[in-house]
Amino acid sequence: NAGVTQTPKFRILKIGQSMTLQCAQDMNHNYMYWYRQDPGMGLKLIYYSVGAGITDKGEVPNGYNVSRSTTEDFPLRLELAAPSQTSVYFCASSYSGLVSGNTEAFFGQGTRLTVV
Amino acid sequence: GNSVTQMEGPVTLSEEAFLTINCTYTATGYPSLFWYVQYPGEGLQLLLKATKADDKGSNKGFEATYRKETTSFHLEKGSVQVSDSAVYFCALLIYNQGGKLIFGQGTELSVKP
Repeated sequence: NAGVTQTPKFRILKIGQSMTLQCAQDMNHNYMYWYRQDPGMGLKLIYYSVGAGITDKGEVPNGYNVSRSTTEDFPLRLELAAPSQTSVYFCASSYSGLVSGNTEAFFGQGTRLTVV
Repeated sequence: GNSVTQMEGPVTLSEEAFLTINCTYTATGYPSLFWYVQYPGEGLQLLLKATKADDKGSNKGFEATYRKETTSFHLEKGSVQVSDSAVYFCALLIYNQGGKLIFGQGTELSVKP
């Protein structure tokens, strides 16, 4: 059972570079999420998707883009990396969204990104 | 707005000590509440949850009771082990915003032998 797979695990970017953080899940979940985790700040929601072709902004979407062309994949794109984007990024998925409170979110192992 | 506040860490305990990690929340409506755990180098895992007032969530010896009157969801364990060393996150589910989880800042627990 692969669950939620994120790649890469670590990356160092220079200011202004771009990159895509990959996220894939094999549980046929329709809801997927991207969070960033800053030290001492908990997790902040960047973007989420309720199904293929549908995405929406979370709390901190500026500087990021997402797409959801398939149920399995939910990549996060950084177009012009900035030092403020240095963080640990987590992808998560759930079966029917969390609206009922009766389903849990499954998290990937995270991508540690440093922008210098 | 909606928010979750956890006690500051790190918390350092000896093995077999009693653990309490405080969590209070502010929310509109009737949220569900969760505790997630993050072991070193890993992603978050659901530890326990409660979906309505007075519910008690429990798992692996951990417990938390949804207290609407005090807007709290404190995590407790009677006897901690070294293997419980991790970061613990309290989280709140907002029903009317697409199922988004709001997290507290996390509390690091270190258990010494």
